[in-house]
Amino acid sequence: EDQVTQSPEALRLQEGESSSLNCSYTVSGLRGLFWYRQDPGKGPEFLFTLYSAGEEKEKERLKATLTKKESFLHITAPKPEDSATYLCAVQRTSYGKLTFGQGTILTVHP
Amino acid sequence: NAGVTQTPKFRVLKTGQSMTLLCAQDMNHEYMYWYRQDPGMGLRLIHYSVGEGTTAKGEVPDGYNVSRLKKQNFLLGLESAAPSQTSVYFCASRAPSGDQETQYFGPGTRLLVL
Repeated sequence: EDQVTQSPEALRLQEGESSSLNCSYTVSGLRGLFWYRQDPGKGPEFLFTLYSAGEEKEKERLKATLTKKESFLHITAPKPEDSATYLCAVQRTSYGKLTFGQGTILTVHP
Repeated sequence: NAGVTQTPKFRVLKTGQSMTLLCAQDMNHEYMYWYRQDPGMGLRLIHYSVGEGTTAKGEVPDGYNVSRLKKQNFLLGLESAAPSQTSVYFCASRAPSGDQETQYFGPGTRLLVL
């Protein structure tokens, strides 16, 4: 059974204080690992897809990395507008069933 | 280009009532999905469809039915609502393969069953 565990459950940062979110996964034959951002009352918004160990992707203050067992979402010099819940999900099959972690709630204080 | 839209945005039902949630996408995607999101449980797949006229069960299908009569629409039905179905429901769609495997989500439908 595919499993995804995200840590920490909640993270409070001061503006400009860099940190990382972790996503540990157990899946037989990873097809893709996805990061989404979810604002309160909204649907998940796509951030990154990672396909193989060693792969990295960046977007503004966010950088996602992937190993064979986990993925990290690095946040550099965060701003209050980066506050959201960050979701990690893995895909094993071609039809795209996603198994999600429970998310990390990030709060960035000015 | 509206992406993925869902109606209604919010609904209150009494136990035993029925309703249909509508998902529409204008991206010409083949695959569509229904998830539910509950506190502490993450997003869980209810049903999915890999093309017009086809549907399949996901992780938590009991109590729900779906139909995909048109490529752009995916309907989720609750025949007899139960309080355990109180949740936020999200629809998603994606292209079949290649670099376009990203699922794009709608804004959600919040359902309260009393």
